[in-house]
Amino acid sequence: GAGVSQTPSNKVTEKGKYVELRCDPISGHTALYWYRQSLGQGPEFLIYFQGTGAADDSGLPNDRFFAVRPEGSVSTLKIQRTERGDSAVYLCASSGLGGSTDTQYFGPGTRLTVL
Amino acid sequence: GQQLNQSPQSMFIQEGEDVSMNCTSSSIFNTWLWYKQDPGEGPVLLIALYKAGELTSNGRLTAQFGITRKDSFLNISASIPSDVGIYFCAGQRRGSQGNLIFGKGTKLSVKP
Repeated sequence: GAGVSQTPSNKVTEKGKYVELRCDPISGHTALYWYRQSLGQGPEFLIYFQGTGAADDSGLPNDRFFAVRPEGSVSTLKIQRTERGDSAVYLCASSGLGGSTDTQYFGPGTRLTVL
Repeated sequence: GQQLNQSPQSMFIQEGEDVSMNCTSSSIFNTWLWYKQDPGEGPVLLIALYKAGELTSNGRLTAQFGITRKDSFLNISASIPSDVGIYFCAGQRRGSQGNLIFGKGTKLSVKP
């Protein structure tokens, strides 16, 4: 398929553990976004990559959250010392160039459950 | 984080009915977007609005960018069963580099 893919689709972990969530954007898309969606809420912005660099990380809730995109394609969202409040669906989106008129295409998300 | 005020939270539809939902903000947005999300999927863009006062249609869907730039509405005419799902408005501020601010969603269900 040519869409945004995310792995794993579901992740269950214990409080205090470290997790990595992966996003494969649409081929050729330079902009990549991470959002977090809690139950009954809309997605909330976490971080935006333009190429390999994080152009805006103002949505990361604290220093336990970190994301990388070393080669400008695949991105990994890393969460250290997970807490129960981190349980949510983590959505990734990509767009061709980024910016306010560029359509963002979302992946199906990774559902993270912290026990 | 900030979320837009979206209403209604939920509504039941009967096939053939028209549906309206709206979104408001206390601050100005340069872009308004409407997305639909089905269970287990990510949001899919329905309509994008880039100019105050703009009225745009996509099939049975019509959306408007409010003149004050602080609100938007979405209408669905002659609803069909596959319209069920959660609809989100989203806005982008000038200079935001594309990160979206979403509403809490309007859940459309079929009348029992």
